[in-house]
Amino acid sequence: AQSVSQHNHHVILSEAASLELGCNYSYGGTVNLFWYVQYPGQHLQLLLKYFSGDPLVKGIKGFEAEFIKSKFSFNLRKPSVQWSDTAEYFCAVNGKDSNYQLIWGAGTKLIIKP
Amino acid sequence: DAGVIQSPRHEVTEMGQEVTLRCKPISGHNSLFWYRQTMMRGLELLIYFNNNVPIDDSGMPEDRFSAKMPNASFSTLKIQPSEPRDSAVYFCASSPSQNTDTQYFGPGTRLTVL
Repeated sequence: AQSVSQHNHHVILSEAASLELGCNYSYGGTVNLFWYVQYPGQHLQLLLKYFSGDPLVKGIKGFEAEFIKSKFSFNLRKPSVQWSDTAEYFCAVNGKDSNYQLIWGAGTKLIIKP
Repeated sequence: DAGVIQSPRHEVTEMGQEVTLRCKPISGHNSLFWYRQTMMRGLELLIYFNNNVPIDDSGMPEDRFSAKMPNASFSTLKIQPSEPRDSAVYFCASSPSQNTDTQYFGPGTRLTVL
């Protein structure tokens, strides 16, 4: 079955700490990969996406993610987090050859302590 | 571009009342999605339209829910009669095309059914 797994439901870090949020997917085909962010009380916004090419993708606000095909992973990273990064982060996948539907992870709530 | 526009932003109603949520997608986008977000169930796709035609409504919880897209610039999600368990944030998203593209989310409608 197609699925997306985000390993941690809650992550608490101090400012300036490094961040890595895990995302693994199960999908029988070539995929597009997305990270969305939802700041408190706001709507989902695209953080970054991978369609093809360089597997290391850079997004907004200093975030990056690396697609490792052999591990079916698309982990999100940031070298030094800020208090304003407090948000919920969602990983999502869809198939290049299939359809519209994004398969969503359950989300990871990130809290940055000032 | 103004982005995806949703109205109302907040709706409080009593059980049994009809609720209509509205969405204006980004101009030129061919695909429109309605999602529901709750603490318990996370983000759920309710229905997907492509070129104003409902393609997949398998996520619609039950017959009390209906959605229409009479033209390319407007969609509604109606709940009749509403129940307290329908309380959630309802997001509309649009996408330039059917496959692979990024979905752009609206600000959401926070629905509370008393």
